[in-house]
Amino acid sequence: DTAVSQTPKYLVTQMGNDKSIKCEQNLGHDTMYWYKQDSKKFLKIMFSYNNKELIINETVPNRFSPKSPDKAHLNLHINSLELGDSAVYFCASSHRTSGYNEQFFGPGTRLTVL
Amino acid sequence: GIQVEQSPPDLILQEGANSTLRCNFSDSVNNLQWFHQNPWGQLINLFYIPSGTKQNGRLSATTVATERYSLLYISSSQTTDSGVYFCAVYPFGNEKLTFGTGTRLTIIP
Repeated sequence: DTAVSQTPKYLVTQMGNDKSIKCEQNLGHDTMYWYKQDSKKFLKIMFSYNNKELIINETVPNRFSPKSPDKAHLNLHINSLELGDSAVYFCASSHRTSGYNEQFFGPGTRLTVL
Repeated sequence: GIQVEQSPPDLILQEGANSTLRCNFSDSVNNLQWFHQNPWGQLINLFYIPSGTKQNGRLSATTVATERYSLLYISSSQTTDSGVYFCAVYPFGNEKLTFGTGTRLTIIP
């Protein structure tokens, strides 16, 4: 199936740990994104990469580091996890340079920090 | 930054009813998308509609960009329509997709 996929779907970890979330898209898109959805369901962009180049970097703590090995993958690494990092993290992709910039989202990763 | 407000925040309807969800935005936009977040948390694309009207089955959407609003119509509601509906906009000159506050729709059998 053509889609945006994320792993893992659920992540439960202790405060202070380091964790990674992986994202892959097989839609042939050139741009990938990370979003955070908080407990009140508000969705906000964190990062965006176009062809492996960082183009959006919101005011996110530097404990969050995105890495794009190629334009089909965008991973999110989080250091020194804090309670406030608990949220659902969504990956998305689009064909930005075509001008038709519809974004498609992955299933989300629910992160719980204890 | 741009403000994206959705109304109503909550809507409870009987199966078979029709509904209209509204999205107002405070500045000019390049594009607009409507999403359905189902009870399992998945974000499903409904419409990519910077202007005009589109229809897909029981759903249709209209965006009037000059007046800074978009409407999502759901006809003959089914229980599977339950969830949260988001509109999201690309402000002019800004690459960040900005989400609205959402409308939580509950369809009762």
